[in-house]
Amino acid sequence: DIQMTQSPSSLSASIGDRVTITCRASQSITSYLNWYQQKPGKAPKLLIYAASSLQSGVPSRFSGSGSGTEFTLTISSLQPEDFATYYCQQSYSTPYIFGQGTKLDI
Amino acid sequence: EVQLVQSGAEVEKPGESLKISCKGSGYSFSNYWIGWVRQMPGKGLEWMGLIYPGDSNTRYSPSFQGQVTISADKSISTAYLQWSSLKASDTAMYYCARRGSANSGDYWGQGTLVTVSS
Repeated sequence: DIQMTQSPSSLSASIGDRVTITCRASQSITSYLNWYQQKPGKAPKLLIYAASSLQSGVPSRFSGSGSGTEFTLTISSLQPEDFATYYCQQSYSTPYIFGQGTKLDI
Repeated sequence: EVQLVQSGAEVEKPGESLKISCKGSGYSFSNYWIGWVRQMPGKGLEWMGLIYPGDSNTRYSPSFQGQVTISADKSISTAYLQWSSLKASDTAMYYCARRGSANSGDYWGQGTLVTVSS
């Protein structure tokens, strides 16, 4: 199985900050990397697919980059509604493993 | 509008069997893979497996192979996740999700909470 390592596991930030979360794959997954946001008591929401494609309806302050084994999710200017847990996921081959999550709080 | 609607919360005893459901609407259900994801209390997301309703082709995570069964009935646009003998460690929220572009989970159900307790 392809393993995913996400860092940091938690992050404190302020409104307006620029934040970056990193995800590393144990082997090349080309661009098959997705990012999700999950708020307490809610289902995950797709933010970015194929490493850098913004899902419809997602604000442009979210962006993704990377290929191969190293990927980043960047939030350019944190808004109050962005405080949540973020997960990366490889979808190159099954099982589509998730990273362990990054909890972003104030 | 694409929607996945899951069945309601369940409370079961260890050893009992259970089948939960995920009904799709607003798209051609047969033509998109549906996956299942587990989230244990206070923990992260775990990918369990997926099914192609068009031909019931199924793939499981090794961690869940033999522990659960994924099935689908394309005639009623519904996917299922079932257990033959529940354990307390199966207590979790279970989500279904449609496999979209680049194999991402583009639409998700609201989740089904399964509680297993004697």
